[in-house]
Amino acid sequence: DAKTTQPPSMDCAEGRAANLPCNHSTISGNEYVYWYRQIHSQGPQYIIHGLKNNETNEMASLIITEDRKSSTLILPHATLRDTAVYYCIVRDSETSGSRLTFGEGTQLTVNP
Amino acid sequence: EAGVAQSPRYKIIEKRQSVAFWCNPISGHATLYWYQQILGQGPKLLIQFQNNGVVDDSQLPKDRFSAERLKGVDSTLKIQPAKLEDSAVYLCASSRGGRNNQPQHFGDGTRLSIL
Repeated sequence: DAKTTQPPSMDCAEGRAANLPCNHSTISGNEYVYWYRQIHSQGPQYIIHGLKNNETNEMASLIITEDRKSSTLILPHATLRDTAVYYCIVRDSETSGSRLTFGEGTQLTVNP
Repeated sequence: EAGVAQSPRYKIIEKRQSVAFWCNPISGHATLYWYQQILGQGPKLLIQFQNNGVVDDSQLPKDRFSAERLKGVDSTLKIQPAKLEDSAVYLCASSRGGRNNQPQHFGDGTRLSIL
């Protein structure tokens, strides 16, 4: 699976949009971009995933660049409960039983 | 729908003892995963089941770790004997299986401390 690069930490003001970047310059055509987050003492929580097109759900939006070498997770109105470690993961969709390979993620702190 | 259930939530044992963790995946999910998360790191896959068969156990330390999913539903992960470096959170996840872009859903894990 392709490697991802994320900033180790970010801060965001409550109520503002949080934009979390991820670089995945070696991504291949059949690899999806997944985002998970992990709040302290809980298991990782699935947020969103995409292949080529931008995606939106009730939690967040995922913007993938046209060359697919980077993406941005957008939390439109961050709350204190969004404070967590956010993981960007590239996952092969065609290999049987493809695993999630977690990096170190970005620690997002939402400040009041 | 109910999430992935894991027990116990916490476990403290001495080194060289044995320990077992239990996982009940989301109903209807064919694929089950066990991950190990050491403090300060992201989770690392230990083993993956598709129904009751092992798909990937390449990162499972087989001299001391074992796992089973006998009826294709619940699963247990065992460590025998435990070492100090096994102190970690053990996470179970499940997914529908089939197409590989199905997201995995995680339980809250078992926090294991080795004295």
